[in-house]
Amino acid sequence: AQKITQTQPGMFVQEKEAVTLDCTYDTSDPSYGLFWYKQPSSGEMIFLIYQGSYDQQNATEGRYSLNFQKARKSANLVISASQLGDSAMYFCAMREVNTNAGKSTFGDGTTLTVKP
Amino acid sequence: DTEVTQTPKHLVMGMTNKKSLKCEQHMGHRAMYWYKQKAKKPPELMFVYSYEKLSINESVPSRFSPECPNSSLLNLHLHALQPEDSALYLCASSQLGTGSYNEQFFGPGTRLTVL
Repeated sequence: AQKITQTQPGMFVQEKEAVTLDCTYDTSDPSYGLFWYKQPSSGEMIFLIYQGSYDQQNATEGRYSLNFQKARKSANLVISASQLGDSAMYFCAMREVNTNAGKSTFGDGTTLTVKP
Repeated sequence: DTEVTQTPKHLVMGMTNKKSLKCEQHMGHRAMYWYKQKAKKPPELMFVYSYEKLSINESVPSRFSPECPNSSLLNLHLHALQPEDSALYLCASSQLGTGSYNEQFFGPGTRLTVL
């Protein structure tokens, strides 16, 4: 069974600083995708970034990067130059590759607060 | 168009009412999902439709009835709900097919309150 663990219920960061949100995972499937979503207080789940289990390089999307350490089964999200609008809940999720519309497994989330 | 839309944004209903939530996407995705999310918790999968057929039902009570009339639309019919069903209901869609991570795109959700 797949499992995602986010050990930081809440995090604070000063505006313009970088912050790392932790995510560890467990799966016996060799093929999987790891995703990060942002959920502001408005409720919408916004897709940020993904990393495939066979990808050789860490994924990057603008100010977001994913620090993928396969041997440690970790997929931490790094947000550079934090902005006030980054304050939100962040979920790490996993999906099997080649799934026929299968399930995503979500972590419990981390609430990030950016301080001015 | 990379958007999933949901209506209504907010819904308040009594325990004897019948209402429906609607979801629409025009990205050509052939998988659509309903999730239920309580405050400060991760989304919980309720139903999955693949090619307009129900492929996953996560043991959801029968007072929730999904419907997929075509490849762009997904409905969730509500009847005789309980106060504990109050939550944010999220719709999502994704591509189908092998060799793809098939990331899900979510709608803005419907905040449901059952009185």
